[in-house]
Amino acid sequence: KNEVEQSPQNLTAQEGEFITINCSYSVGISALHWLQQHPGGGIVSLFMLSSGKKKHGRLIATINIQEKHSSLHITASHPRDSAVYICATIGDKLIFGTGTRLQVFP
Amino acid sequence: DAGITQSPRHKVTETGTPVTLRCHQTENHRYMYWYRQDPGHGLRLIHYSYGVKDTDKGEVSDGYSVSRSKTEDFLLTLESATSSQTSVYFCAISELRQGSGEQFFGPGTRLTVL
Repeated sequence: KNEVEQSPQNLTAQEGEFITINCSYSVGISALHWLQQHPGGGIVSLFMLSSGKKKHGRLIATINIQEKHSSLHITASHPRDSAVYICATIGDKLIFGTGTRLQVFP
Repeated sequence: DAGITQSPRHKVTETGTPVTLRCHQTENHRYMYWYRQDPGHGLRLIHYSYGVKDTDKGEVSDGYSVSRSKTEDFLLTLESATSSQTSVYFCAISELRQGSGEQFFGPGTRLTVL
């Protein structure tokens, strides 16, 4: 069993839909990192959070340390949100999930 | 965007040949990392550096070596490339040690070993 698991692995949506991507982990952490990998391959940091919720534009990340779970939400999804979303736990080291591939169609 | 470049961006080579990938940063961050990304796996740490001439192994270091002679440059060398090293390689940098803070990634290098 992977220490960091993401679900779903693949996700398709229509433009405008509300998207939720989940990240569950089994290790003790101090924080969690959400990253976005564009179709061209570049990786961009979205959020780092250790408690509660963070919001940036249409993106919202939440974390529940006790339940060892984090979610990334995208409101009013758009085709340009199509990417792979990766969570990584921050503890003694970074452990990356395998990513959720999101495709948003017009 | 953090100033991180990788070179080359794409490389095709043959089994048994040496390969060196370069990561260059303009952010003066202390920590630099090399990861590989393969289907079905999360990013996996190969080696990292915590200062000039200070490096350590990650979880998949076999077959790789690194060097950091200047703050801004971190080199990854495959002494004798094998097909199992076909992958996409990412460099990353951070101000704090891994586990303490955010990391910023380079654009990646796609390496194919025939």
